[in-house]
Amino acid sequence: GQNIDQPTEMTATEGAIVQINCTYQTSGFNGLFWYQQHAGEAPTFLSYNVLDGLEEKGRFSSFLSRSKGYSYLLLKELQMKDSASYLCAVMDSNYQLIWGAGTKLIIKP
Amino acid sequence: EADIYQTPRYLVIGTGKKITLECSQTMGHDKMYWYQQDPGMELHLIHYSYGVNSTEKGDLSSESTVSRIRTEHFPLTLESARPSHTSQYLCASSGATGHTDTQYFGPGTRLTVL
Repeated sequence: GQNIDQPTEMTATEGAIVQINCTYQTSGFNGLFWYQQHAGEAPTFLSYNVLDGLEEKGRFSSFLSRSKGYSYLLLKELQMKDSASYLCAVMDSNYQLIWGAGTKLIIKP
Repeated sequence: EADIYQTPRYLVIGTGKKITLECSQTMGHDKMYWYQQDPGMELHLIHYSYGVNSTEKGDLSSESTVSRIRTEHFPLTLESARPSHTSQYLCASSGATGHTDTQYFGPGTRLTVL
């Protein structure tokens, strides 16, 4: 079966750095997406990786290792507004998105 | 401005009512999707469409139906709502830009069936 694993919840301090991991087992791979979802709102797109390596976009970076079935989202200089759920999703061989349950990130002052 | 819209944002109805959730996009995208999401849970794909007159069921069994008569419009209909249909319904669209095919979401409809 297809599976996406992420930690359920993480806590970090304002101004710090946090890494959210995602491991996946899917039938085929056509890219990995990270989305941010604030409580009660819709997901918003953060990043896309299809090749191994690090993609940097401002305070957020995303890393992919296809051989290990592994990705992480790195958030730097954490702000209170970064408190949200972070969703990992993999596009499989049928170009369907397989979604993880999300990691709830709690930022403390 | 290119965007994706959903109406209503909130809906409370009684059991047995027929409802239609509206979704429109001005992104120029060919592909559109409906997801169902309960609080703190993952998104479940219930319907998708790759173009006009093309609709498919997703992974989650759903008693809803969809239609795609116009590229920009993808409504979802529940013929007879039940309390088990209480959830958040999210519409998304995508169009292959390069090779990413990133999905962009509307604000969602929170449905409560009493």
